[in-house]
Amino acid sequence: DAGVIQSPRHEVTEMGQEVTLRCKPISGHDYLFWYRQTMMRGLELLIYFNNNVPIDDSGMPEDRFSAKMPNASFSTLKIQPSEPRDSAVYFCASRESDSPLHFGNGTRLTVT
Amino acid sequence: EDKVVQSPLSLVVHEGDTVTLNCSYEVTNFRSLLWYKQEKKAPTFLFMLTSSGIEKKSGRLSSILDKKELSSILNITATQTGDSAIYLCAGVTSGTYKYIFGTGTRLKVLA
Repeated sequence: DAGVIQSPRHEVTEMGQEVTLRCKPISGHDYLFWYRQTMMRGLELLIYFNNNVPIDDSGMPEDRFSAKMPNASFSTLKIQPSEPRDSAVYFCASRESDSPLHFGNGTRLTVT
Repeated sequence: EDKVVQSPLSLVVHEGDTVTLNCSYEVTNFRSLLWYKQEKKAPTFLFMLTSSGIEKKSGRLSSILDKKELSSILNITATQTGDSAIYLCAGVTSGTYKYIFGTGTRLKVLA
């Protein structure tokens, strides 16, 4: 089991650019979550999917953020246009039914 | 609004000390509470608690849930420098299985 795989590990971009973060969940897991972590706010839930369908996107900060899950093995989180306040570590996590969440190693995003 | 609050925010102890970390929750349709340890990268799972009063143990770590008080504690005995990390707790809702995390307790264990 390779675990939850996220890419890229680090992303540095300039304000206004589009950023796409990618996630491959653990095979067989039917829930996928996107979180953002900062020192000030801790781990914030952005959006989560069940069987590829978005269930709750109330944590998505604004229209600049969008997430998709076209199939059971892939999800993207896109920020367009990016802003310096989007700088954070973005985690993807997956789980099966009532089992614990498994996290990827995160993408550290820096927007200058 | 669902929320999870952890205390203390940070803690510095010496090797060999015992520490108790606290987590209180207000979660609609509460299902379970989980503890995670986060070192440099991804949070890793420690415990899942669903029943009140039943202690879960793993080595020097133990945890218990109190549904009456809407709280949980994580105990670490005989701390080691390797225990230095952020400890996160999360409340999980029934039905939607939504995880709500606290901001964590940052523990530093000095040699």
